[in-house]
Amino acid sequence: EDQVTQSPEALRLQEGESSSLNCSYTVSGLRGLFWYRQDPGKGPEFLFTLYSAGEEKEKERLKATLTKKESFLHITAPKPEDSATYLCAVQARYRDDKIIFGKGTRLHILP
Amino acid sequence: EPEVTQTPSHQVTQMGQEVILRCVPISNHLYFYWYRQILGQKVEFLVSFYNNEISEKSEIFDDQFSVERPDGSNFTLKIRSTKLEDSAMYFCASSEGVVTGELFFGEGSRLTVL
Repeated sequence: EDQVTQSPEALRLQEGESSSLNCSYTVSGLRGLFWYRQDPGKGPEFLFTLYSAGEEKEKERLKATLTKKESFLHITAPKPEDSATYLCAVQARYRDDKIIFGKGTRLHILP
Repeated sequence: EPEVTQTPSHQVTQMGQEVILRCVPISNHLYFYWYRQILGQKVEFLVSFYNNEISEKSEIFDDQFSVERPDGSNFTLKIRSTKLEDSAMYFCASSEGVVTGELFFGEGSRLTVL
């Protein structure tokens, strides 16, 4: 069964303190791994797609990387507005109409 | 900017009643989805819909649930005979295709079953 496990569940950082969020996945033939951001009471908002091991994507203070078993979301010098839940999701090659999400990491950036 | 809209934003219903949640996906999108999120838990896949039929569904999506695209713009989720455990936020999403994994989510419909 396809699975996505994220760690830590929650993370509190001081403004400017860089860190990384982890996403471990098990999927029968990965088509894509995705990162989303979810603010309280809102729907998830797409950030990145990664397709193959070694790939990296960047957007402002965020950088996503992918290996054969896990993905990292690196946050460099975060600001309070980066506070949100970050969700990792995967899509299997032969079930590409279904994207499954992990539980997410709740990130809180203190000013 | 185009967006997915959902109605109602909040619905309270009695156990056993039927509920219809409505969504208007982005107009040129071809794939439509329903997800749900029980408070404090993960976003769970319910169903995907393409070319006027269900393309994939989860174990959660049993005979109690049905989806429909009645008029080419709306996409609805019907829950028959609601149970307490159906209380959740229900998100509709749409996408142009399946390759990029870029789903556009609505703001959600919060369902409370009493």
